[in-house]
Order: sequence, then C-alpha cells, then structure tokens
Amino acid sequence: SQELEQSPQSLIVQEGKNLTINCTSSKTLYGLYWYKQKYGEGLIFLMMLQKGGEEKSHEKITAKLDEKKQQSSLHITASQPSHAGIYLCGADHVSDYKLSFGAGTTVTVRA
Amino acid sequence: DTGVSQDPRHKITKRGQNVTFRCDPISEHNRLYWYRQTLGQGPEFLTYFQNEAQLEKSRLLSDRFSAERPKGSFSTLEIQRTEQGDSAMYLCASSLAYVRTDTQYFGPGTRLTVL
Repeated sequence: SQELEQSPQSLIVQEGKNLTINCTSSKTLYGLYWYKQKYGEGLIFLMMLQKGGEEKSHEKITAKLDEKKQQSSLHITASQPSHAGIYLCGADHVSDYKLSFGAGTTVTVRA
Repeated sequence: DTGVSQDPRHKITKRGQNVTFRCDPISEHNRLYWYRQTLGQGPEFLTYFQNEAQLEKSRLLSDRFSAERPKGSFSTLEIQRTEQGDSAMYLCASSLAYVRTDTQYFGPGTRLTVL
C-alpha cells in the first residue's frame, strides 16, 4: 500500500543484536497492527497500538506509536533465530474496517 | 482454541478453470475478511462480511471473483476463468467486531498457482 511505508525492506542481524523496523503512514492512524509472517504462511498477530505515544511489549518485542499517530516502530532486543520472518504493519486509517498493509520487512538472524 | 482455517492450502490450476476456496473463521467471530497477497507485498483487501452480509468489496475484486458467507459462519471465495495474474496467496481473517479495534486473526492462506 502506498499509504504505508515500511523500512528497511530487509535486514540481516547477528544473533543477540537489536533491530528496529519502522512504519510510516501518509494518513493519521486510528489503529496500527504488527504481524509476523513466515514465508508461505499466514499472519501471526503481535501487537496493536491505538493511542498516540502508546508503547507495548511482548517478550523481547516492543512497539511504539508516535504522538502524532503517523509512525510506528517495532524493536526487537537480543534477536534470536526464532525472530526471523517477515514483519508487516497494518493500518486502520478511517471509519471502515479493512487494514492497509506495508510491503513488509524481511528479517534474517544469523547465528 | 481453534484458529482460522482455510482449505485447500495449495491449489494449482490451468488458466480458464474455476476455483473455490473455503475459510472457517474463529467461532463467534462475526466479521470475516478476504485479502490477497502477491510475492514481496503486503496483503491487499478484497472484501469483508459482517455475519452473512457482504459490506464492502475492493476494486481489485473483478467480476470473475465472488464471495459468499451464506449462514454467517464459513465463507467461500470463487474465481471464475482464472488468469495467470490471479496467482497469489489468498488470506482469510476474522474478528469479533464489537469494537472498532478488534484484532483480525488470519488463517494460513491458500496459495493459488495458475498455469
């Protein structure tokens, strides 16, 4: 979706290192969802952010939504091989219920 | 807890043939969505249902595509006269939809290859 830009497109990180993925929207976000996808499989829900300035964490993954609600970041601390996959941000922009997705960020974790 | 299931997981067909995919949402979820994902891209919205009513269809959903959810439970997506450009992963998701921000949970997808 051109409404959502994810960066980087891909990244390779050494096991144990941190990584950050960004998601920028051209419109104000009502809600921002982070999903993880293994190649050829469905999407696994990670976190949902709604309020400006909100931050949520689950295990070693932290997601933030900026105050102006147009950008989100996903941060993984001390990456492990299990963190490898495609990370997708999905945006709920307006008063309908479909999600618009970014193109995804492919994460490779090297031992 | 049973998640969203889709059948088949893979489908290979020849151009011009019709195909039908099935999605079974999480029980009690009244909203069901269909998305299409091509290689290297995020999912793109196709259509969604609230119970048995189809409330929105994307411009991506040409006349060859039809979706139903006859009893408000499972849904089917049919593609008639398939074209090579239809090759993609077709994803189904469901949500409770009692509040605006109910999370959409996705199934494993059906990968379609049109030869």
